[in-house]
Amino acid sequence: QVQLVESGGGVVQPGRSLRLSCAASGFTFSSYAMHWVRQAPGKGLEWVAVISYDGSNKYYADSVKGRFTISRDNSKNTLYLQMNSLRAEDTAVYYCARDSEHIVVVTATEYYYYYMDVWGKGTTVTVSS
Amino acid sequence: DIQMTQSPSSLSASVGDRVTITCRASQSISSYLNWYQQKPGKAPKLLIYAASSLQSGVPSRFSGSGSGTDFTLTISSLQPEDFATYYCQQSYSRGRTFGGGTKVEIK
Repeated sequence: QVQLVESGGGVVQPGRSLRLSCAASGFTFSSYAMHWVRQAPGKGLEWVAVISYDGSNKYYADSVKGRFTISRDNSKNTLYLQMNSLRAEDTAVYYCARDSEHIVVVTATEYYYYYMDVWGKGTTVTVSS
Repeated sequence: DIQMTQSPSSLSASVGDRVTITCRASQSISSYLNWYQQKPGKAPKLLIYAASSLQSGVPSRFSGSGSGTDFTLTISSLQPEDFATYYCQQSYSRGRTFGGGTKVEIK
């Protein structure tokens, strides 16, 4: 079945680094863009980063830009999030999610609607001294 | 960045009630709006995409409407399994911002 499984979370001191992984199965991983989304304790969802299907395009939330790097290895069906210079405010559950699209054609013009339709169960990152 | 604002932040309702949650975007996003449901300790689940399209397997009591800056998620008859937190999310820009969430609690 279609599945995403995150790993790599843990307790880390401020300023240190951590790498998260997301293993995909049950679908053609290399055909989909992928996201990282996080949720701090008791808070809402925060989009973190996205990477295109082939890894050529990457975008980040301002809160992590310059510190986090999203990457993927399509030969291993795995998504990564390298997190450097971690701060207390990075403490959260980190989810990976698949980006799917719905195409609507109106008078010969294609409109692409994107949504996150498959999510992992999350991995917890705690930044604390 | 596009800001998404949901209201109310929480509500109390009874089984069988009709529930409406509102989401407003800081700029026009056409119909690039998704809705998710999240239960405690679980990952979010996609309910509605493109403002009004029901995701496969989602009960028909859920519906979405709106375009531009104002959107609505409606649950026509609240069921016990619907008590959860609901999030809107825009997909107009690459930075896919979420609303702050609406917690639906049992009255």
